[in-house]
Amino acid sequence: AQKVTQAQTEISVVEKEDVTLDCVYETRDTTYYLFWYKQPPSGELVFLIRRNSFDEQNEISGRYSWNFQKSTSSFNFTITASQVVDSAVYFCALRGYSGAGSYQLTFGKGTKLSVIP
Amino acid sequence: NAGVTQTPKFRVLKTGQSMTLLCAQDMNHEYMYWYRQDPGMGLRLIHYSVGEGTTAKGEVPDGYNVSRLKKQNFLLGLESAAPSQTSVYFCASSRRALNTEAFFGQGTRLTVV
Repeated sequence: AQKVTQAQTEISVVEKEDVTLDCVYETRDTTYYLFWYKQPPSGELVFLIRRNSFDEQNEISGRYSWNFQKSTSSFNFTITASQVVDSAVYFCALRGYSGAGSYQLTFGKGTKLSVIP
Repeated sequence: NAGVTQTPKFRVLKTGQSMTLLCAQDMNHEYMYWYRQDPGMGLRLIHYSVGEGTTAKGEVPDGYNVSRLKKQNFLLGLESAAPSQTSVYFCASSRRALNTEAFFGQGTRLTVV
């Protein structure tokens, strides 16, 4: 069975502060993918990034960066110089083999980020 | 390109009533999923399908049934709605490949009174 844990339920930061959202996962698979999704107040789910289990290089996209550490089973997400538009619920997800020839997509409980102007 | 479309967007049911939520995708994806989102619980998988004519149980399947008669459609049925099924329901689809992300519908807000 696979599991994703986002221990931070809610985080509040003041605009322009940096913030890191934690994600820890569990899986027995050697090959799997990790994802981050954003859910703004409007409710839709927006894909942000994927990372495969063999690629531990950090990735940066503008103010967003991701740190994948297989040794600690973590895939953390950092927003630099946060903005009010970053206010949303962020979900970490894991896609791995669920048996019977299929893949399952498992989500964490999400972290609600509030950026205060 | 519509992506993933859920019908209806909102619904209020009385306890014991039945209803079907429709999910349609136009991306020719093999996999389709139904999740429910509740406060503090994140997204929990109800059922999923890996192809036309196949379905499988997820984490919280009780009280729901699904069907995938056509590749582009995935139906979620509630035979006898209960207040515990008040939730926001999301449908998603993805390609079979492990590295592909899921695309989500806009959600259906269901209230059971």
